[in-house]
Amino acid sequence: EAEVAQSPRYKITEKSQAVAFWCDPISGHATLYWYRQILGQGPELLVQFQDESVVDDSQLPKDRFSAERLKGVDSTLKIQPAELGDSAMYLCASSLVSVRDRVSPLHFGNGTRLTVT
Amino acid sequence: AQKVTQAQTEISVVEKEDVTLDCVYETRDTTYYLFWYKQPPSGELVFLIRRNSFDEQNEISGRYSWNFQKSTSSFNFTITASQVVDSAVYFCALSESVYNDMRFGAGTRLTVKP
Repeated sequence: EAEVAQSPRYKITEKSQAVAFWCDPISGHATLYWYRQILGQGPELLVQFQDESVVDDSQLPKDRFSAERLKGVDSTLKIQPAELGDSAMYLCASSLVSVRDRVSPLHFGNGTRLTVT
Repeated sequence: AQKVTQAQTEISVVEKEDVTLDCVYETRDTTYYLFWYKQPPSGELVFLIRRNSFDEQNEISGRYSWNFQKSTSSFNFTITASQVVDSAVYFCALSESVYNDMRFGAGTRLTVKP
């Protein structure tokens, strides 16, 4: 079964440094999501793309976070500068375009575990 | 904005027991979509089931079943004859639109003991 690919798997960085995560969705999935999951909590939606366009970035801390999906395929999430509170699992997910009576489930990657020291 | 509440933080059962995970949601939309996901220790979120708000039929799929009650805004998930491999964190999630802006609850950690 096709998978959502994410890299790196683990990342340790010092605060104030820049960090970037990469995601390659399942082929044919037009919708791509970035979620942040703090230990012991549920995933929190950061940004949602439909092809190369941002559908929802209302929860993205735009002063330090940025996301792009230039060609509507793979995506990069960047944090600059990183802060201690950014330590979390960053999950990428993708789905087919949904229609009213058949909303597609999200397929998640293994995530990138970020530790900011 | 939509909200999902999973009041049970942790549940522990003995293998072969049935277990029900509770989920209560809030939404102002009349059309919405509910999901359950499983997150085993490996960390990857795995899709389990979905339900449209306009289809209240409850179903059974193998050892999984779910009870969707619009009147109480609940979408509970039951595992019958639990197994050790069912040990994981289970998340309930809600999408309010066809754009599928999925929001998750805080999760319930299920431990199945042999």
